Amino acid sequence: DQQVKQNSPSLSVQEGRISILNCDYTNSMFDYFLWYKKYPAEGPTFLISISSIKDKNEDGRFTVFLNKSAKHLSLHIVPSQPGDSAVYFCAARGVSGGSNYKLTFGKGTLLTVNP
Amino acid sequence: DTGVSQDPRHKITKRGQNVTFRCDPISEHNRLYWYRQTLGQGPEFLTYFQNEAQLEKSRLLSDRFSAERPKGSFSTLEIQRTEQGDSAMYLCASSSAKGAGTLHFGNGTRLTVT
Repeated sequence: DQQVKQNSPSLSVQEGRISILNCDYTNSMFDYFLWYKKYPAEGPTFLISISSIKDKNEDGRFTVFLNKSAKHLSLHIVPSQPGDSAVYFCAARGVSGGSNYKLTFGKGTLLTVNP
Repeated sequence: DTGVSQDPRHKITKRGQNVTFRCDPISEHNRLYWYRQTLGQGPEFLTYFQNEAQLEKSRLLSDRFSAERPKGSFSTLEIQRTEQGDSAMYLCASSSAKGAGTLHFGNGTRLTVT
């Protein structure tokens, strides 16, 4: 049973346009959400996060939106650049059972930004 | 901050052999994690250490797997009697106990069991 779902395996956008990556979760005990970016042959790199007490967090070109009622979050990248091409993982952390350190990841979305 | 270091980067082994991977976390981080990633999947949690204590093991970690962090610094992950299904990327991550504890990942060890 996948608790964090990224239903789009891939996304292709033009350079300069907006990229929107989506993530849904099922566990209402998740209280903190993160996005990681992964290039081939490298480990995931932390990108941006949001606490469940907020609905938006912005860092430069990256903004994460959280809709708790819909159990949905999204990552917006504006403007998209070719260097953003990577696999993006959505991850969530919860306090269920005291596991407030463990991240649960989605399957990832491959973003391709075309010049 | 030199980052999380993992060794080796690649390991090819024959079924039935034992393998051991090493992880050196960021020096001031007291929390260390092992994850496994297979093709088309996100990283899956295997085990967690706080200092030298192993506090949680996933049910994914069969009896053939053992992890240690003897002095609360580096960690090793050993797989005994490897099987083809063990082929995956093994990722190590570390975090501090402060704040949200964002995980910092190493570049992983890619294991291929033939």
